[in-house]
Amino acid sequence: AQTVTQSQPEMSVQEAETVTLSCTYDTSENNYYLFWYKQPPSRQMILVIRQEAYKQQNATENRFSVNFQKAAKSFSLKISDSQLGDTAMYFCAFMKHVGGAQKLVFGQGTRLTINP
Amino acid sequence: EPEVTQTPSHQVTQMGQEVILRCVPISNHLYFYWYRQILGQKVEFLVSFYNNEISEKSEIFDDQFSVERPDGSNFTLKIRSTKLEDSAMYFCASRLSGGGTEAFFGQGTRLTVV
Repeated sequence: AQTVTQSQPEMSVQEAETVTLSCTYDTSENNYYLFWYKQPPSRQMILVIRQEAYKQQNATENRFSVNFQKAAKSFSLKISDSQLGDTAMYFCAFMKHVGGAQKLVFGQGTRLTINP
Repeated sequence: EPEVTQTPSHQVTQMGQEVILRCVPISNHLYFYWYRQILGQKVEFLVSFYNNEISEKSEIFDDQFSVERPDGSNFTLKIRSTKLEDSAMYFCASRLSGGGTEAFFGQGTRLTVV
């Protein structure tokens, strides 16, 4: 079974700073997908960024980028020029590649607070 | 922009009562899911549904739980006899296709069992 671990329960940075959220995972699969989801106070889960394990290039989406280290099974999220609206819970998630109705396996989450 | 819609947003029920949580997935999506999040904890998978049948269910999804897609648009989660520990946020999600396509989540239903 796959497991996802987020070792930072809470983080807090000043607006405009850069912050990195950590995530490690355990799997015997070779092909899979990794995601970061954001859960603001409204509680809805919103996709931030997605990485395909067979791609060596790290995914980027505007101010959000990942550092994917497959051998180390590490998938960290970097938020550059942080904004007040980035305040949320962030969940790292794993999905197997094989099959259609694959589920997401989530980490415990990191509560990120951006201070003005 | 298409979205997953869940109703109600909050439901309070007495222990032992049946509840039905409703979801309208994005219309052309093929894969449907229920997840739950006990307050302050991580999001946990309950069940996946494809081609009008359950694809996978977790150990949480015991005989008290059932899912249905009765009319091709709604996707429901029924808890037959609620327990206090069923109190949680329940999220519905849908995906267009397999592979690593994005799961779109609804805004959740907060279930409180008293």
